[in-house]
Amino acid sequence: EVVLTQSPGTLSLSPGERATLSCRASQSISSNYLAWFQQKPGQAPRLLISSASSRATRVPDRFSGSGSGTDFILTISRLEPEDFAVYYCHQYGTSPLTFGGGTRVEIK
Amino acid sequence: QVQLVQSGAEVKKPGASVKVSCKASGYSFTTHTLHWVRQAPGQRLEWLGWSNAGHGNTYYSQKFQNRITFTSDTSATTAYMELSSLQFEDTGVYFCARDDGNTWLLDLWGQGTFVTVSS
Repeated sequence: EVVLTQSPGTLSLSPGERATLSCRASQSISSNYLAWFQQKPGQAPRLLISSASSRATRVPDRFSGSGSGTDFILTISRLEPEDFAVYYCHQYGTSPLTFGGGTRVEIK
Repeated sequence: QVQLVQSGAEVKKPGASVKVSCKASGYSFTTHTLHWVRQAPGQRLEWLGWSNAGHGNTYYSQKFQNRITFTSDTSATTAYMELSSLQFEDTGVYFCARDDGNTWLLDLWGQGTFVTVSS
């Protein structure tokens, strides 16, 4: 199976700062089918990015995704208070579908 | 409104079974595959498999294939996940999620059902 490793585990930043989250795959992701989700406590994951770089509907443009093959990045250009959450990368190109371990973005 | 609404929290004893429902509304139930994902406390999200009510097929993750069953009721636009032989480690939140109809992109999620396995 495709193992996804996210780094860092925790990112401590202030509102207005830039966040850079990494996701590395154990093998090349088929068709760059890599998604990013945001999850807040007690809520379901919310889709932010699909196909490595396509923003989902109603996702603010401060969120952007990049990368291909095995290395992917989620960037939040200027953190807003509502952006402090856990972020997961997810590959949906190969069965079994797999998720990364998550990066927690917390207020510094 | 396009949504998935899941059944409420469950408490089960080890060895028992649990059945979680996921009611779809606002879209064509048979043209999207439904996936099941769980999140144990402190663990990463874990994919359990999928079911498609349109063609009646299911696929189970190898880890669970001996004790998990997906079913669908197309008239009620509801999918079900039943997990048997529950163990303490099965405690967690179980989500249903719809794919986009073309790929396995999970674009719509239910609110989650918390299953507690406790003696």
